[in-house]
Parts: sequence; C-alpha cells; structure tokens
Amino acid sequence: NSKVIQTPRYLVKGQGQKAKMRCIPEKGHPVVFWYQQNKNNEFKFLINFQNQEVLQQIDMTEKRFSAECPSNSPCSLEIQSSEAGDSALYLCASRQSSYEQYFGPGTRLTVL
Amino acid sequence: TQTVSQSDAHVTVFEGDSVELRCNYSYGGSIYLSWYIQHHGHGLQFLLKYYSGNPVVQGVNGFEAEFSKSDSSFHLRKASVHWSDSAVYFCAVSAVSSGSWQLIFGSGTQLTVMP
Repeated sequence: NSKVIQTPRYLVKGQGQKAKMRCIPEKGHPVVFWYQQNKNNEFKFLINFQNQEVLQQIDMTEKRFSAECPSNSPCSLEIQSSEAGDSALYLCASRQSSYEQYFGPGTRLTVL
Repeated sequence: TQTVSQSDAHVTVFEGDSVELRCNYSYGGSIYLSWYIQHHGHGLQFLLKYYSGNPVVQGVNGFEAEFSKSDSSFHLRKASVHWSDSAVYFCAVSAVSSGSWQLIFGSGTQLTVMP
C-alpha cells in the first residue's frame, strides 16, 4: 500500500481564488509527480521533481500553476487563479529507483 | 509519442468468473507498462509492471498480465474475481528513453463484479 500523503482531501474554491494542495512522498522516494485526473478519467501530467529540482513540466503548469518540493517540507501544487476547468482530482505520486509510481489518495478540487 | 488504448469501457462479470481487461499501446521504443486500480473516491493503487524479462508478470491480489510485443498488448487477467475487485482499472505506459518517466494512461475499464 502507498504511503504517499496528500492534503487536503477536498478543496472548494471560487473562481479566481488560489488553491493549494500538499503532498508528502514516500520516505526515500526522490522523484515526485503531479497529475490531474478529470471527471472523464483523462489524466494530464503536470510536473515532476527529482529531489528539489524540476525535471519536466507542461506549458499549462508554467502559467497559472506553480509547484515546489523543498527540502524537509511537503511538496506543494498551487493554482494562482482557479478556473472552473481546474476542477479535478489532483494526484501526487512518488518513485524510488525502479519505475513504479505510488500514488496518494488525491485532492479533489472543486471550483465554483 | 506513446498512446494507450483500453477498448472496453465497462466489463461486468460474476463473482468467481475469470476476467481479462485489454490494453494496447503504440510506441516504437523501449517501454515500461503498468496497471493500476482505482476504487471509487480513492487514488490509484499499483497492481503490477513489466519492463523486461518474463512476459507474464504477477501482481497483487491474484492479478497477472502478459506482455506481447507482436500484438503491442499488455492485458490484465484474474482467474477468479471477488466483489471487492469492482473498480476502474487503468493501463499506463512510460517511454524509457524519455527521461521524464511520466505515465501515459488509458481511458480506464470499469469492472463490475456481480454477486
């Protein structure tokens, strides 16, 4: 079973508001991923980190989304100005040296 | 660019039946394949993976999958399902050479196990 912790489980924001969610990866997992899963079960990769450094991120992430994985603190994903289309389940995953990624329970964001 | 196709959106079986959930992929290079299960309202739980070696891989809870390069497939199977196996199953691929290790997911198959 995964030991990735995500908080909060549910987040409700108005349009234009900031939305911030956090992730604690499994101990000893240096690589962290953020994915967005919409209501149609479509996944979108957002960003990943190795230790504190960004490995890859999509263009969307560069504009309204920001993320960080500081040393000795939870990783975080923040949407600066939420839009209705951002309503989704945000999944954090971590991996060690092997390929499998272990996912947290997700943060369900609803933008009203 | 790699793609993943799960042809069956819904599969319904009875408890004790065997089941096969289909996954086909498209990618010309070295690939890493995996299956995840998602129960309603929860995150993704890792089931099994394939990268190299024996094309039949065993996973948790009695699941197994078989890789076929000729068919570009990685179908998931279980010999005898339980009601608790009802969930959405996602096949995922990652291009080994890409360096980012991001997963590309299929559209999912909803498995319903009837009592």
